[in-house]
Amino acid sequence: GESVGLHLPTLSVQEGDNSIINCAYSNSASDYFIWYKQESGKGPQFIIDIRSNMDKRQGQRVTVLLNKTVKHLSLQIAATQPGDSAVYFCAEKESGSGGYQKVTFGTGTKLQVIP
Amino acid sequence: SAVISQKPSRDICQRGTSLTIQCQVDSQVTMMFWYRQQPGQSLTLIATANQGSEATYESGFVIDKFPISRPNLTFSTLTVSNMSPEDSSIYLCSVGAGARGYTFGSGTRLTVV
Repeated sequence: GESVGLHLPTLSVQEGDNSIINCAYSNSASDYFIWYKQESGKGPQFIIDIRSNMDKRQGQRVTVLLNKTVKHLSLQIAATQPGDSAVYFCAEKESGSGGYQKVTFGTGTKLQVIP
Repeated sequence: SAVISQKPSRDICQRGTSLTIQCQVDSQVTMMFWYRQQPGQSLTLIATANQGSEATYESGFVIDKFPISRPNLTFSTLTVSNMSPEDSSIYLCSVGAGARGYTFGSGTRLTVV
C-alpha cells in the first residue's frame, strides 16, 4: 500500500529574529556533524559542520552547538532573512578504515521566515 | 567543491518499467553515494558506489531493485527497476567533500503512475 509521508516540524520566525533549529543524533561513533539547507526543488546544500571533539563552531550568521552528553546538535541562525526559508537537516558522518564513510541524515525542520 | 550534474531532473514513469538516473561529477572522486528522499521526509542512503567494485547497499535496498554502475571516477548511474508507485521519490547522488560534508546533485524527481 501507499506509505504515509511524515510532516516535517515547522519553525516560524520573524524576519530579523534569531532562529534555533534542534536535532538529536544517535551514533556516538560519528566524527563529524553537519547541517544542510534544502530549498524547494534542490539538493541539500552544506552550511556548516563541527568535529565531534568540539562543542561550538561559528560561521557567517550561523553557529552550531554540539552537546555530546545528551547527543544534541543545534543550528543558530542570526538575523534570519527570507532567503533562509528552507528545510534544514542535521547529519552525522562516520568514518572507518579503508576510506569507509557514511553520512546519515536526521529528520528535517522547515524554517518559515515571516517578512 | 565538486559540481554534480544529475539527469533527468524529473520523470513520470509507468509502473513496471525502469528508469536510469545519471550522475556526472566535474572531478574525480573515489566514492559516490545514492540517496532517496520520499515526499516530506529526510534522506535515506541507498548505496555507496566505488569505482571498480560492486556497490555496497544499505539495509532495505537490494541490487536487483536498484542496480548501480560506476564505470569511472566521474560517473555513476542508478536504475530504479520494475517501478511501483511506492518508488515515487527524489533520488539524489552525492560525493564526499573530503572529511566534511557531502555535495549533492539537484536530484531526480520520479513519479510512478
